[in-house]
Amino acid sequence: SQTIHQWPATLVQPVGSPLSLECTVEGTSNPNLYWYRQAAGRGLQLLFYSVGIGQISSEVPQNLSASRPQDRQFILSSKKLLLSDSGFYLCAWSVSLTRGPLGYTFGSGTRLTVV
Amino acid sequence: SQQGEEDPQALSIQEGENATMNCSYKTSINNLQWYRQNSGRGLVHLILIRSNEREKHSGRLRVTLDTSKKSSSLLITASRAADTASYFCATRTGTASKLTFGTGTRLQVTL
Repeated sequence: SQTIHQWPATLVQPVGSPLSLECTVEGTSNPNLYWYRQAAGRGLQLLFYSVGIGQISSEVPQNLSASRPQDRQFILSSKKLLLSDSGFYLCAWSVSLTRGPLGYTFGSGTRLTVV
Repeated sequence: SQQGEEDPQALSIQEGENATMNCSYKTSINNLQWYRQNSGRGLVHLILIRSNEREKHSGRLRVTLDTSKKSSSLLITASRAADTASYFCATRTGTASKLTFGTGTRLQVTL
């Protein structure tokens, strides 16, 4: 069966420090991968998605970047965190477009607090 | 930008009652999905309805879709305390490989 791992669960980082959040998927190949951010009590904002290794689509210009160095690994990074980067970060995967409807499976999330 | 808007933003009912949440969207869709999120956790996929479908059932869940009104509803029958969560609709447009989520409805089911 497919599983998705996202870590860490919580993170407190000072302003100006770097960030690296990792997400890995097991039990499937060539998944679509997604990074969302959720502000407190709000909906989900799509940050990045990837349909293949090295292919990254950015949805909003911001202080973050994403990379997909391996088929089932998706990394969210920042060189210098801002206070506004605080939030709940969610990774998700789905089967690729040609393999059927795109229901997502989400990781358990990372609560990032920038202080 | 948000494609879907859920209504109401918050809903409080007693156990055993039915809960109805609505979702409106702006552009034509390929499919619409509903997700549940327990506090501080990731989202869980509940049900998917395609644009050519009008109603779908899964256990105590019933989803309807009205493409002419660009709206969908999620009905949870005989609610339980464990149904307490936030519920989000999400839409896929055209051949896009991504979903756009609504703002969510917070459901509270009390004993």
